[in-house]
Amino acid sequence: DVKVTQSSRYLVKRTGEKVFLECVQDMDHENMFWYRQDPGLGLRLIYFSYDVKMKEKGDIPEGYSVSREKKERFSLILESASTNQTSMYLCASSPRTSDTQYFGPGTRLTVL
Amino acid sequence: AQSVTQLGSHVSVSEGALVLLRCNYSSSVPPYLFWYVQYPNQGLQLLLKYTSAATLVKGINGFEAEFKKSETSFHLTKPSAHMSDAAEYFCAVSGTSYDKVIFGPGTSLSVIP
Repeated sequence: DVKVTQSSRYLVKRTGEKVFLECVQDMDHENMFWYRQDPGLGLRLIYFSYDVKMKEKGDIPEGYSVSREKKERFSLILESASTNQTSMYLCASSPRTSDTQYFGPGTRLTVL
Repeated sequence: AQSVTQLGSHVSVSEGALVLLRCNYSSSVPPYLFWYVQYPNQGLQLLLKYTSAATLVKGINGFEAEFKKSETSFHLTKPSAHMSDAAEYFCAVSGTSYDKVIFGPGTSLSVIP
């Protein structure tokens, strides 16, 4: 079974803090993704990565950065958290040539 | 470019009744289409996908979807709803197997006993 884990299920941070969200997958997938999920908006792609040290901007990259130093780990960084970044964050992975994504359980981030 | 619309942000059905969740897509190329399900407090998991083979696609848990090119639709159905089907359902589209996947806004399904 593919497993995608995220470091925290719930996180509360203050405005201006630097926030790290970690995602680890155990199936040797090349592709990894970060989405945010908001009611009525579905999932929106923040960043994705096709390989170690590679990253591509998604549809809403502003205010975020990512790091992929190892194949199994993809980190999302909020350089200076703001209240409008309060959301559910979902990580996903997929093999290089497959369109099926496997999702982690999500991190619900609240920025006060 | 691809896009997805889902008619109805919330659908309620009685246990044992037909489930119909609507999805319409827009794509400039032959699409790949997906339905994902998200149970409470969980991530998304793939329910089924269409990749230009048979137009009627069967998925897990008794769900199926039919690709209708003329209607640009990919509606999800299940003949008889079960309480365990209560979840959020997302339709998604991509242009190729290598493309970004675009998700719809989601439909929340409630099943009434």
